[in-house]
Amino acid sequence: GESVGLHLPTLSVQEGDNSIINCAYSNSASDYFIWYKQESGKGPQFIIDIRSNMDKRQGQRVTVLLNKTVKHLSLQIAATQPGDSAVYFCAGDNAGNMLTFGGGTRLMVKP
Amino acid sequence: ETGVTQSPTHLIKTRGQQVTLRCSSQSGHNTVSWYQQALGQGPQFIFQYYREEENGRGNFPPRFSGLQFPNYSSELNVNALELDDSALYLCASSPGTSESYEQYFGPGTRLTVT
Repeated sequence: GESVGLHLPTLSVQEGDNSIINCAYSNSASDYFIWYKQESGKGPQFIIDIRSNMDKRQGQRVTVLLNKTVKHLSLQIAATQPGDSAVYFCAGDNAGNMLTFGGGTRLMVKP
Repeated sequence: ETGVTQSPTHLIKTRGQQVTLRCSSQSGHNTVSWYQQALGQGPQFIFQYYREEENGRGNFPPRFSGLQFPNYSSELNVNALELDDSALYLCASSPGTSESYEQYFGPGTRLTVT
């Protein structure tokens, strides 16, 4: 089955700096990848998605990069703010909304 | 505000008991998925319902069962509770169309089995 995992369990950045969160996946059959943000006591919140036929997608302050050759996904957050502090998950979907999540990376933003 | 609500927010049960968790999907969404999230881990897919029919299931035993109602709200039932069932149970709804894969998660129900 598919496995989606993350390289770093905790990432600490200075406010205003850019953050990069990485994720590796094993099942190349996934046709859709999503990044979620989860704050304490809340459910995951959609950040940005990318289809497997794309390499890059930009949103507001966030960019997702997909490298299918090495099965790697990354989330870039520009000008990181204290409100960005949370746990970030990548997830893959290859069966229609049945998501496989990675283990999560905790982002800590230092003022 | 996602519009997905879950009840109860917290629940404590004893091993061997049964539990029912409830989810109201976002307006217009006909697909509901349930996930189990153990502490410090990512959510694990349990099953999905589309228009009142189970539409896929993860690696969970049959004592995890569900229902979806005509208004697309949903229930997750767990029988013969085990200590390892202690987790945050998340419900997510989606439009169920190929044009939008976005799933909207509720706040979850924190289940503790003692």
